[in-house]
Amino acid sequence: DAKTTQPNSMESNEEEPVHLPCNHSTISGTDYIHWYRQLPSQGPEYVIHGLTSNVNNRMASLAIAEDRKSSTLILHRATLRDAAVYYCILSTGGYQKVTFGTGTKLQVIP
Amino acid sequence: DGGITQSPKYLFRKEGQNVTLSCEQNLNHDAMYWYRQDPGQGLRLIYYSQIVNDFQKGDIAEGYSVSREKKESFPLTVTSAQKNPTAFYLCASRRTLEIREKLFFGSGTQLSVL
Repeated sequence: DAKTTQPNSMESNEEEPVHLPCNHSTISGTDYIHWYRQLPSQGPEYVIHGLTSNVNNRMASLAIAEDRKSSTLILHRATLRDAAVYYCILSTGGYQKVTFGTGTKLQVIP
Repeated sequence: DGGITQSPKYLFRKEGQNVTLSCEQNLNHDAMYWYRQDPGQGLRLIYYSQIVNDFQKGDIAEGYSVSREKKESFPLTVTSAQKNPTAFYLCASRRTLEIREKLFFGSGTQLSVL
């Protein structure tokens, strides 16, 4: 399975932008990049996904490198509610199982 | 509202006992998944099912069993063979087999051993 690598933790000041990186150097041409986040004692929730082009939605933006070996989740203005563990995963073509790594724990400082 | 319901929220298991965690979805999703999460860790895949009466082992299936008799239901049994069952269990579903489809998660069941 294609793997992703994320920093264990990051900090951000409230109301500042946050860039959460993800490396996926073994990504194949048909793999989608998905981001989820998990608040304490809750199930993960979907944030955004993309294939090749940058994507925007009401929660965040996803910037995908031209070679697709890395991507960055961008929270434009961090709030205290954004403090969570963020998971970058690959949805792999031909396989239906979806695997998660350990994610990045984002701390937002007031 | 459509969603995934996991029950119970908290469950206690005695040694040697089998326990079953419930997962029901009313989203009409084809694919369903079970994950295990240990404190401070990521999610590990136990089992997944693409369609009724079919399921596949994930990365840590030993000591667990599942069934998929109905599209909306995917119960997980933690058997006595699972020696370290204490964990947070998450059920998820996905609308179709398309890899671009997002996962929807339940709110989890915390299983502890007495």
